[in-house]
Amino acid sequence: QVQLVESGGGVVQPGRSLRLSCAASELTVSSYSMHWVRQAPGKGLEWVATMSYDGSNIYYADSVKGRFTISRDNSKNTLYLQMSSLRGEDTAVYYCARENPDKDYAMDVWGQGTTVTVSS
Amino acid sequence: EIVLTQAPGTLSLSPGERATLSCRASQSVSRTYLAWYQQKPGQAPRLLIYGASSRATGIPDRFSGSGSGTDFTLTISRLEPEDFAVYYCQQYGISPRTFGQGTKVEIK
Repeated sequence: QVQLVESGGGVVQPGRSLRLSCAASELTVSSYSMHWVRQAPGKGLEWVATMSYDGSNIYYADSVKGRFTISRDNSKNTLYLQMSSLRGEDTAVYYCARENPDKDYAMDVWGQGTTVTVSS
Repeated sequence: EIVLTQAPGTLSLSPGERATLSCRASQSVSRTYLAWYQQKPGQAPRLLIYGASSRATGIPDRFSGSGSGTDFTLTISRLEPEDFAVYYCQQYGISPRTFGQGTKVEIK
């Protein structure tokens, strides 16, 4: 069964760093463009970052540019989001998602999410 | 950045009724790159519609999408109990990808 499982969330102080992981099953992360999307408590969805299938193109939302880094380890079939200089407004559930060209590049597989709380 | 405005914010309906959800874009969006997602409390979003009108795998035919340009619609022909949720539209034709703020469909 195609599955994405996020981990690495937790409570972190402002200004500190955290790395999220997204482990894939029955899906090869290097074959698809992959995304991170977040959802602040009680709020809507916000796209955060994208890595293209070949790794050649990486995009970030302005709100995280210069602080977050998306990467992947093909040998572990895992996508990462390195978050630094964390702020209170980064508090959210973070989801990874697959972009599927067979679905007109919509995000068709999502993980269950991992919660990041930035608080002193 | 393309702003997507969804209306209404909340839709109060009874099971069996028809739901019509609107998504309006601040500038024209290619219909190829307009999607709808459903999200239930404590769950991840689920893809319902892509390419403005194509149903994703396993999505019942009571869900349909339409529209073009700046105006898109998600219609649920007859609400089932499991359809009460929040629905988001998303455009992904122009970077950055953006989502609407969501429409909550609640039981009346």
